[in-house]
Amino acid sequence: QKEVEQDPGPLSVPEGAIVSLNCTYSNSAFQYFMWYRQYSRKGPELLMYTYSSGNKEDGRFTAQVDKSSKYISLFIRDSQPSDSATYLCAMSAKTSYDKVIFGPGTSLSVIP
Amino acid sequence: NAGVTQTPKFQVLKTGQSMTLQCAQDMNHEYMSWYRQDPGMGLRLIHYSVGAGITDQGEVPNGYNVSRSTTEDFPLRLLSAAPSQTSVYFCASRAMTGSNTEAFFGQGTRLTVV
Repeated sequence: QKEVEQDPGPLSVPEGAIVSLNCTYSNSAFQYFMWYRQYSRKGPELLMYTYSSGNKEDGRFTAQVDKSSKYISLFIRDSQPSDSATYLCAMSAKTSYDKVIFGPGTSLSVIP
Repeated sequence: NAGVTQTPKFQVLKTGQSMTLQCAQDMNHEYMSWYRQDPGMGLRLIHYSVGAGITDQGEVPNGYNVSRSTTEDFPLRLLSAAPSQTSVYFCASRAMTGSNTEAFFGQGTRLTVV
């Protein structure tokens, strides 16, 4: 079993929809949680960063962490065609902050 | 321009050849990492470093070496290239900024081993 699991999709939604992207993980030591967006043939870019449990909002993006369920989510409100990309969750433990493990990514298409 | 610079962008190697992928960052980030990305497998950590002179193995370190003699540079060496090392390689740098984190990836090196 991989440490971080993510539904690969592809996920296709109409413009303006609310998108929910999710990851599950098995290592209870993970404390730092990140979401990255990757456009085709580009390097990933950091979207959201959260520490431990709770919610964090940044514009149209909301990240949620539920450590009791080992489950994290990224919500995208009012989705735009420019949101079409692969979304990768990533996480690391407090004792090894620098050892960041990624999920396989979910491919999202937002249809105009 | 601030960021992570990787060279080369593309490379074709023959089986058994060795080469070094270069990575440099100008943000004074303490943490640097190398990943490989293969279809359906996401990013897998090869090696990482918490500062100059300190490196550690990630999820898939076999066949690769790294060193970190300066904060800015983190080269990845393929010792004897194999077709299984055909992949896209990404270098990343990261730093804590108060309660937040700052992270950047390079544009990637597309490596083909024939």
